[in-house]
Amino acid sequence: GQQLNQSPQSMFIQEGEDVSMNCTSSSIFNTWLWYKQDPGEGPVLLIALYKAGELTSNGRLTAQFGITRKDSFLNISASIPSDVGIYFCAGQLNAGGTSYGKLTFGQGTILTVHP
Amino acid sequence: EAGVAQSPRYKIIEKRQSVAFWCNPISGHATLYWYQQILGQGPKLLIQFQNNGVVDDSQLPKDRFSAERLKGVDSTLKIQPAKLEDSAVYLCASSSGGRQETQYFGPGTRLLVL
Repeated sequence: GQQLNQSPQSMFIQEGEDVSMNCTSSSIFNTWLWYKQDPGEGPVLLIALYKAGELTSNGRLTAQFGITRKDSFLNISASIPSDVGIYFCAGQLNAGGTSYGKLTFGQGTILTVHP
Repeated sequence: EAGVAQSPRYKIIEKRQSVAFWCNPISGHATLYWYQQILGQGPKLLIQFQNNGVVDDSQLPKDRFSAERLKGVDSTLKIQPAKLEDSAVYLCASSSGGRQETQYFGPGTRLLVL
């Protein structure tokens, strides 16, 4: 099946620093998504990317859909303590039939922000 | 708008026992998903429903796991009998459908099998 490799596995940063994480796939996706999961909660969508090469921002977050459709990155600028959590990338094929809607998730990046 | 509701939030059982989880999706959402999230990993899709029909259950261990969505709204996921490796968070998500659909996740049910 499709595999997503997300890196780094964890990050420890100071408040105010910028953060970058990325995700690579062995196969193509039509949609890339970035989620954040807080302890005891389900993942919450941060940014969705629908087109190869697309660069999208949501406040301090910026994400890009790689040209090859096999990778994506997420940047967080000027980190704050509430950015703490686990960040997941997810790919969606949207090929129709049984692949429609199914998300394939990366392993997650654990972010710790020191005040 | 109310989010995806799941119950129970926590469950502890012994191996070989049975357990059931319940999910109520966002009102009007036709598509419902069950994911399994093992500690330290990302969620993995178990089953996808479109209304009350199964779209994808290719990763559901059908010898012990079953799921239903009889009236196209609520859904239940059952494990019978449970194994130690079933310890995980079971997440339910729903979406309205369409190419640029957003999947909204519930808080999950944390299962510990002893």
